[in-house]
Amino acid sequence: DTEVTQTPKHLVMGMTNKKSLKCEQHMGHRAMYWYKQKAKKPPELMFVYSYEKLSINESVPSRFSPECPNSSLLNLHLHALQPEDSALYLCASSPGTGTRGETQYFGPGTRLLVL
Amino acid sequence: SQQGEEDPQALSIQEGENATMNCSYKTSINNLQWYRQNSGRGLVHLILIRSNEREKHSGRLRVTLDTSKKSSSLLITASRAADTASYFCATGDNTNAGKSTFGDGTTLTVKP
Repeated sequence: DTEVTQTPKHLVMGMTNKKSLKCEQHMGHRAMYWYKQKAKKPPELMFVYSYEKLSINESVPSRFSPECPNSSLLNLHLHALQPEDSALYLCASSPGTGTRGETQYFGPGTRLLVL
Repeated sequence: SQQGEEDPQALSIQEGENATMNCSYKTSINNLQWYRQNSGRGLVHLILIRSNEREKHSGRLRVTLDTSKKSSSLLITASRAADTASYFCATGDNTNAGKSTFGDGTTLTVKP
């Protein structure tokens, strides 16, 4: 299996809702990433997990809470989001430790709309 | 600010023509990669070039890297309508913390 899967594909939520984005890979990769991408902009790194431990947090607001339950799964818990958080959220994985610019394998993304 | 800056921002060509896009970066790198993104989808890795390499080929893709000028170029030869996408360079940080930082991207349109 050479895919990174993400669910849901689309999500609409209100500012008081709590929701979660899920990401799964079965390639045996040990690093997993969350990115946020606004329209016509490059992906912005949010979090990196290496061997199930959070290794990079790019000063992301606490309303975004990542979780790595095991080496194949990565969640992003959302709470009290703002309309400006509407974006495409991309998950990626890479074989090693997530350092020195490894090749990353991306999922198709979750399109999030915050009302 | 983003490590990589790409130009042009947008490029429109006819099928069969070659497309060249450029990426410039600011700091020391371990490697540089190019990714493609079809509209609203995930990114697909195209090619990786290490800091000690100057040129690399993969099918219709040719990548060059000039570390003295801190720049890279991606050439797509004999373009096809299916090559229509956004192309991003991503520089790999030369430290143990090393994350990849994406450039602003070039939007390529190939007209049939």
